[in-house]
Amino acid sequence: DADVTQTPRNRITKTGKRIMLECSQTKGHDRMYWYRQDPGLGLRLIYYSFDVKDINKGEISDGYSVSRQAQAKFSLSLESAIPNQTALYFCATSDGLASSYEQYFGPGTRLTVT
Amino acid sequence: EDKVVQSPLSLVVHEGDTVTLNCSYEVTNFRSLLWYKQEKKAPTFLFMLTSSGIEKKSGRLSSILDKKELFSILNITATQTGDSAIYLCSLLGTSGTYKYIFGTGTRLKVLA
Repeated sequence: DADVTQTPRNRITKTGKRIMLECSQTKGHDRMYWYRQDPGLGLRLIYYSFDVKDINKGEISDGYSVSRQAQAKFSLSLESAIPNQTALYFCATSDGLASSYEQYFGPGTRLTVT
Repeated sequence: EDKVVQSPLSLVVHEGDTVTLNCSYEVTNFRSLLWYKQEKKAPTFLFMLTSSGIEKKSGRLSSILDKKELFSILNITATQTGDSAIYLCSLLGTSGTYKYIFGTGTRLKVLA
């Protein structure tokens, strides 16, 4: 089984709808992140969390909210979706140890807002 | 503002060619620079570089960091079609939080 899972994998929704993207991990990592990827723009950080009680905004948090329900679960919500939120969304985790700062990514959710 | 710039943005080569991908940065201090390969969906980890001048190697891939000139390169020798992917460079900052800054990526296509 994958270490980082995301649901749904694909979603088409209409402008104004609320949508939630879910992320679960079995890595046991405290640090979790949400990114969006647009062509030519790389990965941009939306929100990140270092433990259940710690939530931080990233560079593009407007229009998004998150919930850290447990160490293993981190959800991203679009309260009122708009077309320019059409993108590929990734959840990632890391353990923050100096021996390995690598991030582990989920398979991504392709979201289309019409 | 912290910035990571990758070049070229895209590259097309033939199998057997050697390629060099560049990652330059404007980041005052950072913990580590990381390279990822993104084929179909999720990026997968290639290298983590912390010290300047020490080459990391894995098969046909190698990478090195130059903290004086503020860049890193990723070399791929004897390219294969399976190397076709987007290669991402990321820096982990030190400004009190564990935030990663990503470059835009280099899209590599290897033709048979």
